[in-house]
Amino acid sequence: EIVLTQSPATLSLSPGERATLSCRASQSVSSYLAWFQQKPGQAPRPLLYTTSKRATGIPARFSGSGSGTDFTLTISSLEPEDFAVYYCQQRSNWPWTFGQGTKVEIK
Amino acid sequence: QVQLQESGPGLVKPSETLSLTCTVSGDSMSSYYWSWIRQPPGKGLEWIGSIYYSGSTSYNPSLKSRVTISVDTSKNQFSLRLTSVTAADTAMYYCARDSPEPYWGQGTLVTVSS
Repeated sequence: EIVLTQSPATLSLSPGERATLSCRASQSVSSYLAWFQQKPGQAPRPLLYTTSKRATGIPARFSGSGSGTDFTLTISSLEPEDFAVYYCQQRSNWPWTFGQGTKVEIK
Repeated sequence: QVQLQESGPGLVKPSETLSLTCTVSGDSMSSYYWSWIRQPPGKGLEWIGSIYYSGSTSYNPSLKSRVTISVDTSKNQFSLRLTSVTAADTAMYYCARDSPEPYWGQGTLVTVSS
């Protein structure tokens, strides 16, 4: 099973700042990595898939990069609605797995 | 736009079987993987399993002995059965289309309690 490790666990930033979230895989997942955003009481919302493709309706301030085992989600300038928990997921090998999440909180 | 809607009982007794259905609208089920994911209260996401439209399945090894996922493309539905449930199976259950762009349902809360 591929283990995804997200860092940091919590990121404290102010609106307008740049957020950089990391997802590291225990073995290569090629480019088959997705990112999700979850706010309290809501279902996870797909943000990016296949590393860098934005899901429908996702603003351009969200971008993804990486390949193999190291991936990054970047939010170029945080908006108030971006404070949430972010999860990565690999769909390269069965069983598909999720990271434990990174919480982006208001500083 | 693809929409997914979970349905099923919100309360299941311990040792019984949890059964949920996901109804898909806005697209054909062909050529995609369809998945179930769950999230216990206050915890992270756990992938339960996936089914290809043709019927081939993959399951989380930790649940494999208790899980069955099936698909009925004529009804645009796929289903989850989880047997011998315990309190540890209490969670929000989500259905999703995984390929290529993910689409998720809003989720349904299932509580296991007598």
